[in-house]
Amino acid sequence: DGGITQSPKYLFRKEGQNVTLSCEQNLNHDAMYWYRQDPGQGLRLIYYSQIVNDFQKGDIAEGYSVSREKKESFPLTVTSAQKNPTAFYLCASTLKSPGQGTEAFFGQGTRLTVV
Amino acid sequence: SQKIEQNSEALNIQEGKTATLTCNYTNYSPAYLQWYRQDPGRGPVFLLLIRENEKEKRKERLKVTFDTTLKQSLFHITASQPADSATYLCALDIHFQKLVFGTGTRLLVSP
Repeated sequence: DGGITQSPKYLFRKEGQNVTLSCEQNLNHDAMYWYRQDPGQGLRLIYYSQIVNDFQKGDIAEGYSVSREKKESFPLTVTSAQKNPTAFYLCASTLKSPGQGTEAFFGQGTRLTVV
Repeated sequence: SQKIEQNSEALNIQEGKTATLTCNYTNYSPAYLQWYRQDPGRGPVFLLLIRENEKEKRKERLKVTFDTTLKQSLFHITASQPADSATYLCALDIHFQKLVFGTGTRLLVSP
């Protein structure tokens, strides 16, 4: 079955550590996105990528980094510079670039907790 | 500044009634507006989208309207059921830029 997979589902991090969240899709989608969701809040865009080896900052990119070396993979690193990283992280993909009316498919999310 | 606003308070309605949710935005020019459903602890699921030059779109019990002059979309669920209880998110699909989401509105349908 085609889909988008995030791992791990739950992640605990000590303060000062970097952690990497995995996102893989086998839908052959061009664009991929990372969002952060805090309790009772909507989705805030961290980074997005429209093609391999290219990505753009979203609205809250500080303290995060990404790479897009393969079409199917878009890992997110939460660095120690991110002051409040505890949140629910969602990865998504769309068949085409934004603005072309293709629906987003989401992974199941990774819940990151700083301990 | 750019904003997408949805009612932050939960919407409580009785089964069988029509639920109407609102999405307002400022300083964006979306090519499409999309609506998603999100259940607790899960990723959003796409419901339907409407193009900037369309006024209304329907899918089964769902109806979306889009007014680019008012910068507003309304999302209707007719004959609502308890299974429709969830958070509903609107999203702006912006030309060659990004896909941005609103804050979401929680809908509670009582039997």
